[in-house]
Amino acid sequence: NAGVTQTPKFQVLKTGQSMTLQCAQDMNHNSMYWYRQDPGMGLRLIYYSASEGTTDKGEVPNGYNVSRLNKREFSLRLESAAPSQTSVYFCASSATGRSNQPQHFGDGTRLSIL
Amino acid sequence: EDQVTQSPEALRLQEGESSSLNCSYTVSGLRGLFWYRQDPGKGPEFLFTLYSAGEEKEKERLKATLTKKESFLHITAPKPEDSATYLCAVNYGGSQGNLIFGKGTKLSVKP
Repeated sequence: NAGVTQTPKFQVLKTGQSMTLQCAQDMNHNSMYWYRQDPGMGLRLIYYSASEGTTDKGEVPNGYNVSRLNKREFSLRLESAAPSQTSVYFCASSATGRSNQPQHFGDGTRLSIL
Repeated sequence: EDQVTQSPEALRLQEGESSSLNCSYTVSGLRGLFWYRQDPGKGPEFLFTLYSAGEEKEKERLKATLTKKESFLHITAPKPEDSATYLCAVNYGGSQGNLIFGKGTKLSVKP
């Protein structure tokens, strides 16, 4: 009963490097989300995918790209990492994008950019 | 501006000492309010959804209530294992299921 799985769990990058954070869910959910969590701030939405084949910007999309690879997988890419992107990144999924559906989260990727 | 504010930021309780956490919101057109628990190094774990004023949900020592402007998470006779950060989030119906999160209340329960 894995739920939402994120890889890697930890990563250190140098400024300017690129990387892709992976997320997969096994709950047959339609909607998936990427958040970042910074000290003293609430979770902030980066991008979301309401259903397979669609993606939309959230509150803080600059510097990121996403790909909804299939119904299970939703990846987040940093093309040219910056120190301001040091954060903990969480992937979440929900059965649908409707407002009454709770989101279920993975355990995060802790990313440090030097 | 739509906002979600949680108070207090941190709360220390003795085991068995009941208390409440507050989540106030200023969104218009609330579609749902969610409570999550987050342990260190883990992702948020879903606890409750509340949809309308007057609604209540319970799970073990936790009880969530909702009014038109705020929600309370009541913790009755807490145990050390209830120590965690509790997050509140609201869906205002802006886009799909998008949520606005509060900054959380860090609860510590001492034996």
